[in-house]
Amino acid sequence: NAGVMQNPRHLVRRRGQEARLRCSPVKGHSHVYWYRQLPEEGLKFMVYLQKENIIDESGMPKERFSAEFPKEGPSILRIQQVVRGDSAAYFCASSPESFSLNTEAFFGQGTRLTVV
Amino acid sequence: DAKTTQPTSMDCAEGRAANLPCNHSTISGNEYVYWYRQIHSQGPQYIIHGLKNNETNEMASLIITEDRKSSTLILPHATLRDTAVYYCIVRVEAAGNKLTFGGGTRVLVKP
Repeated sequence: NAGVMQNPRHLVRRRGQEARLRCSPVKGHSHVYWYRQLPEEGLKFMVYLQKENIIDESGMPKERFSAEFPKEGPSILRIQQVVRGDSAAYFCASSPESFSLNTEAFFGQGTRLTVV
Repeated sequence: DAKTTQPTSMDCAEGRAANLPCNHSTISGNEYVYWYRQIHSQGPQYIIHGLKNNETNEMASLIITEDRKSSTLILPHATLRDTAVYYCIVRVEAAGNKLTFGGGTRVLVKP
């Protein structure tokens, strides 16, 4: 978990509000992955981004969810008009520029979203 | 799909070696085996990875069979803090190098 910073650690939103989750990768890392973990379930891939590009969003819900990783600043996972079913832990992982199958990814401690 | 099969759970005694098996019979020649663990609600923690040779680091050893169809993660001296869910993952280039988590093995280290 070295160096991947996620904030906030805990986020409470009312139904219909927007949630913005931030992920600062390890310094020098340009690959970011987002995962969601529903209560008592496994980690599900959501989206893979490189700087300014979405590489794989096959795990993203088609509506209300979006992600970005701008040239400067953290990666943002945005959930619009949150519903109770969005309550989960959201984890971010990062890998370095020279990314390959032989390069480990490091995870942050997650953001726990609760929708009330 | 995760391409791996692991036992759902296992117990081990504190101070003893914990041997965690994983089957990955459809692994391809250039795909790596990764192990991560998740300690209660924390972020997944990288443990070790390998291609075909056995690997060892400060946390664990990874033994990969010669045909690469299975592997074993060894925690040499399990402690109570090793209680976690352990995930064996085959990283697939065709899937964009992402890590696909299966159900993992829930390991309980007992005193």
